[in-house]
Amino acid sequence: GAVVSQHPSRVICKSGTSVKIECRSLDFQATTMFWYRQFPKQSLMLMATSNEGSKATYEQGVEKDKFLINHASLTLSTLTVTSAHPEDSSFYICSASSPTIAGGADEQFFGPGTRLTVL
Amino acid sequence: KQEVTQIPAALSVPEGENLVLNCSFTDSAIYNLQWFRQDPGKGLTSLLLIQSSQREQTSGRLNASLDKSSGRSTLYIAASQPGDSATYLCAVSGNTPLVFGKGTRLSVIA
Repeated sequence: GAVVSQHPSRVICKSGTSVKIECRSLDFQATTMFWYRQFPKQSLMLMATSNEGSKATYEQGVEKDKFLINHASLTLSTLTVTSAHPEDSSFYICSASSPTIAGGADEQFFGPGTRLTVL
Repeated sequence: KQEVTQIPAALSVPEGENLVLNCSFTDSAIYNLQWFRQDPGKGLTSLLLIQSSQREQTSGRLNASLDKSSGRSTLYIAASQPGDSATYLCAVSGNTPLVFGKGTRLSVIA
């Protein structure tokens, strides 16, 4: 149980295009979803936290107009990287949590990640 | 601001050896601490979660301990196997969202 999927697993795009990444909780309803990015040999850095039906809360230094997050349902959150540039190339990982499953709201279940390469 | 440090950054051991990975955190006001495994280019697999009221958790060959007052946790891996080779991440949750260490890259040599 508590499976989180991401799509696509990897994407290559040209500079200036927008890319959408989906994060789904497959077997539970996620009240909260999180988006992280990870640079090579670095730790995961939280970008934003989203609760279903409300606006995402962005971490300091993360541009909300560049990284659009939509948490439209209890099983789906999307991250859109708008006007992507090579410096946006990174590994993006989502996670989801719910107070109704093992570990409660404090445990996050992670997706497999999306490798974004901007040429 | 919570900071999580993992030592060593990399570790190489022969198969069969027992080993300990270390994690320290600066703010002891945590809700829980998690250990994750990450294979190259992959997402995170949760290994163990220790609630702030607990001292340790065990799963198979893995044992994680938590000393909240000193801001430390250890992950003990018994009888290591080549399949254990991966990066191990420690993360704490508290008043701030989950904060990760940079990980320990483990190589188990057959």
